[in-house]
Amino acid sequence: ETGVTQTPRHLVMGMTNKKSLKCEQHLGHNAMYWYKQSAKKPLELMFVYNFKEQTENNSVPSRFSPECPNSSHLFLHLHTLQPEDSALYLCASSQDGATSGRVQETQYFGPGTRLLVL
Amino acid sequence: SQELEQSPQSLIVQEGKNLTINCTSSKTLYGLYWYKQKYGEGLIFLMMLQKGGEEKSHEKITAKLDEKKQQSSLHITASQPSHAGIYLCGADWSGSARQLTFGSGTQLTVLP
Repeated sequence: ETGVTQTPRHLVMGMTNKKSLKCEQHLGHNAMYWYKQSAKKPLELMFVYNFKEQTENNSVPSRFSPECPNSSHLFLHLHTLQPEDSALYLCASSQDGATSGRVQETQYFGPGTRLLVL
Repeated sequence: SQELEQSPQSLIVQEGKNLTINCTSSKTLYGLYWYKQKYGEGLIFLMMLQKGGEEKSHEKITAKLDEKKQQSSLHITASQPSHAGIYLCGADWSGSARQLTFGSGTQLTVLP
């Protein structure tokens, strides 16, 4: 139990569906992240939110739409996905170094959502 | 070649044996993070190294960052089946710790 929860844990969706992934952190952190982990590929950073503002977007297709309503919750809205989007989607949180006074802050990960797009 | 390389890709050891996993960066590291992942699950934080020459230990796992801050090793002493999993190193090249680049991982199997 890392203090970061993700729901659902498993999701199967068709290419025309719209679904959302949810992440919640109970650590009092102010930065949250979405990562994608595909088979046989390194973990890829998708989005970073700091104080609810998106600070990084690593060239992610628009069919992935993040939302961060507050510093404890992060969503990833999915629509018209492709089969190659099937992967493990991981959420993480950290305390941003700018506020903690430390440069290096550890990211804590949730258990992930296993997504299958048919 | 990859900017962050882990070796070996997979490792099978007998219980009780020692083992080492390496993570080599093409750039100077501001920070190097080690995580462990059970298949299909989230990453569990193990250790973070920041200073050249730094060494940290947790139970039977020791991680080092070389003086030039471009390579790290993770050493497990007297391995146990509970050590099995995928070990990932994450590199911070920016100094912000937000943009981590991860290696491809090392799949460790410990035979009882």
